[in-house]
Amino acid sequence: GAGVSQSPRYKVTKRGQDVALRCDPISGHVSLYWYRQALGQGPEFLTYFNYEAQQDKSGLPNDRFSAERPEGSISTLTIQRTEQRDSAMYRCASSSPRPEQETQYFGPGTRLLVL
Amino acid sequence: AQSVTQLDSQVPVFEEAPVELRCNYSSSVSVYLFWYVQYPNQGLQLLLKYLSGSTLVKGINGFEAEFNKSQTSFHLRKPSVHISDTAEYFCAVSKAAGNKLTFGGGTRVLVKP
Repeated sequence: GAGVSQSPRYKVTKRGQDVALRCDPISGHVSLYWYRQALGQGPEFLTYFNYEAQQDKSGLPNDRFSAERPEGSISTLTIQRTEQRDSAMYRCASSSPRPEQETQYFGPGTRLLVL
Repeated sequence: AQSVTQLDSQVPVFEEAPVELRCNYSSSVSVYLFWYVQYPNQGLQLLLKYLSGSTLVKGINGFEAEFNKSQTSFHLRKPSVHISDTAEYFCAVSKAAGNKLTFGGGTRVLVKP
């Protein structure tokens, strides 16, 4: 079946603009995760959802970052008033209910460049 | 909190030679361990995982990893690499199913002909 999809794949924006990044998980996957990966580093956790409930947002760096998953499927990560330091690859992953809940399947990522 | 250290940032290796990528972790609780691979311009793909049981885990593309609890390590090996194994490899841990992953900084493998 189809994997995790993310859009847009590339986003160039000017400092101060808001951006919305979309993630469409694998059908039937309950949990959805957002990570951010700076160049030359490993991904870092931002937030995750079970169904529509945001379970953990401890990784969101500040209040300019927010995420939602209103119907328990597609999720949107929004960055308000973007800054150059927000430039990174944003990765989404999803996982199914038991028995393979521990395995996260990743999308291709959205590369964000803030000028 | 967990942390993951990948000791080598880059590993050059000749085609058909063996390769070992080192991963050490720290955690106050039992963890699940993973290796992911990122090919150029692609997303992260799961290579293998350790949840429990046998400490030697076999994954896709001929890779295997061994969990060593006393040394808190989960090193990845392949006995004979191909050009197509050129990629970045990430070790990760989570403390439970349905939990966030904590990644290491990655190891770039460059396979030379």
